[in-house]
Amino acid sequence: NAGVMQNPRHLVRRRGQEARLRCSPMKGHSHVYWYRQLPEEGLKFMVYLQKENIIDESGMPKERFSAEFPKEGPSILRIQQVVRGDSAAYFCASSLGTVSYEQYFGPGTRLTVT
Amino acid sequence: GDSVTQMEGPVTLSEEAFLTINCTYTATGYPSLFWYVQYPGEGLQLLLKATKADDKGSNKGFEATYRKETTSFHLEKGSVQVSDSAVYFCALSDGGTASKLTFGTGTRLQVTL
Repeated sequence: NAGVMQNPRHLVRRRGQEARLRCSPMKGHSHVYWYRQLPEEGLKFMVYLQKENIIDESGMPKERFSAEFPKEGPSILRIQQVVRGDSAAYFCASSLGTVSYEQYFGPGTRLTVT
Repeated sequence: GDSVTQMEGPVTLSEEAFLTINCTYTATGYPSLFWYVQYPGEGLQLLLKATKADDKGSNKGFEATYRKETTSFHLEKGSVQVSDSAVYFCALSDGGTASKLTFGTGTRLQVTL
């Protein structure tokens, strides 16, 4: 059973461009979480999605950031008009459910904004 | 809101030394507690967990006990190996609808021969 897949693993964008990060959850998992890890810091929750629904986006910046998890295909985290402060590692996790279910993490996408 | 505080690193130990990484938390309700490990260039892997007070999580020689009275979940290992070198994150889940994880800042462990 393949683990959580994220691509690309590394992404370089110039200021003002758009970044699209993809996450394919483990087979059978319908719950997806996105976390951001700034340099030398812990992970911070951004958003929690189930298929076609955003359940909790309390950690998402109010502007430029959006996420989706369509019925078919991977979950997408989209960052418009990137700025240097968006440079970070973005991790996706998936699970079978919520309470008492383990979250399995992908290898992350390292975004560098130049 | 919920928060996790863990000891700052880096922690440098010789192989076979005893390891303790302190973790304390603040949360409403009854959270579940976790230790995750991150090897260089990789994502996080669950190391162990405990879901209620006095539970002990254990895996690969690592242990941590959920102490509600001291709001702590310290990670211990009796004899570390070079291969244990990594960053260790303490985390909690509030068990709410989202069950999102709240992480500490991480503690880098370096084990030398």
